[in-house]
Amino acid sequence: DFVMTQSPLSLPVTPGEPASISCRSSQSLLHGNGKHYLDWYLQKPGQPPQVLIYLGSNRASGVPDRFTGSGSGTDFTLKISRVEAEDVGVYYCKQSLHVPLTFGGGTKVEIK
Amino acid sequence: QVQLVESGGGVVQPGGSLRLSCAASGFTFSSSAMHWVRQAPGKGPQWVAFIRFDGGSEYYTDSVRGRFTISRDNTQNMLYLEMNALRGEDTALYYCAKDISSSWFEYMDVWGKGTTVIVSS
Repeated sequence: DFVMTQSPLSLPVTPGEPASISCRSSQSLLHGNGKHYLDWYLQKPGQPPQVLIYLGSNRASGVPDRFTGSGSGTDFTLKISRVEAEDVGVYYCKQSLHVPLTFGGGTKVEIK
Repeated sequence: QVQLVESGGGVVQPGGSLRLSCAASGFTFSSSAMHWVRQAPGKGPQWVAFIRFDGGSEYYTDSVRGRFTISRDNTQNMLYLEMNALRGEDTALYYCAKDISSSWFEYMDVWGKGTTVIVSS
């Protein structure tokens, strides 16, 4: 299985400040079509996950432009340019290149 | 609006069976690949199963293969998960989720609120 490792586990942030989350895959997520099959989801308390970024760097519909996904191969990053109070929750990366699809362990973002 | 509503969860004894349902509305269900994803209490999401838009392909995570069966009825806009030989480690909140693709894995753009399965004697 592709193992997805996220860091940090917990991320206290100050509103208005930037934040960054790392996701590392045990194998490359580059498909032969040139796309990286890596998504980012945010799970707010009491809600299902919601997609933020797909195929490594594409912002999903309705996602604010303060969220940016980047990376290639096995190393990916989600950056929030200026954290807002509504951004609290657990962030997960997920690979969909290989069955079984696998999620990272999560990064809990909370306001300081 | 685009909506997925799961039902069928409950408390079942180890070795028992349950059938989960997911009612889809607000989008062309028959053109969408679908997933089941579960989340054990205090844990992250775990992908369980996938079915292509026409039911022509199914994929499962190893721990449920042979025990769970994903299926769909495109005439009724319904997704199902038949779960047999249930174990304690199957206890979780089960979500159905729509894939943006029709036939492969891309990303899950719509999720239901989930239905809870508890396996306990």
